[in-house]
Amino acid sequence: EVQLVESGGDLVKPGGSLRLSCAASGFTLRDASMTWVRQAPGKGLEWVGRIKSESDGGTTDFAAPVKGRFTISRDDSKNTLYLLMNSLQSEDTALYYCATAKWGTVLDSWGQGTLVTVSP
Amino acid sequence: DIQMTQSPSTLSASVGDRVTITCRASESINVWVAWFQQKPGKAPKLLIYQASYLQSGVPSRFSGSGSGTEFTLTISSLQPDDFATYYCQQYTHYWTFGQGTKVEI
Repeated sequence: EVQLVESGGDLVKPGGSLRLSCAASGFTLRDASMTWVRQAPGKGLEWVGRIKSESDGGTTDFAAPVKGRFTISRDDSKNTLYLLMNSLQSEDTALYYCATAKWGTVLDSWGQGTLVTVSP
Repeated sequence: DIQMTQSPSTLSASVGDRVTITCRASESINVWVAWFQQKPGKAPKLLIYQASYLQSGVPSRFSGSGSGTEFTLTISSLQPDDFATYYCQQYTHYWTFGQGTKVEI
């Protein structure tokens, strides 16, 4: 059974950095395309970024609001996905989910999310 | 960027009602649409992908249709467990979600 468990969310000051983790089980992370999706309090869903599977090149892409500030990486030995967030702004306050992208496109399994709050 | 516009934003319904939610894409996206259900405090749950394919384990009262720019999610007979917020999503070019439709009593 696929399981995704996010962690690392915290209260951080504007301009700060934070690294989120997504521990995967039930499948091999490097063989999967993975995404990060966020949801600001009381708002809708917003795609943040993705990393392709190793066989598809392992490249990353990001949404315009976070491009240049966020990076995605994997630790294959820990079967864990990371989202490194720099230069955080109040608009980045949200619940961050990791999700598997079946066939590289369909977001079929989601974690429970981890909360990031950016505030002075 | 491809925009997804859902309607209505809120829908009041009763148990047993047939419910339809519409999603319009800003450009043609073929059939690359998914629908999600989200309950308060929970992660989104995939219901439908490729416009009309039911995700494994999802009740058959849920169905999806459409292609190009117009898509619908239909719940044939609303059940108490179905009161939630529903999102459409395109995945032809990265991922974009609609703004959500809250189905309430």
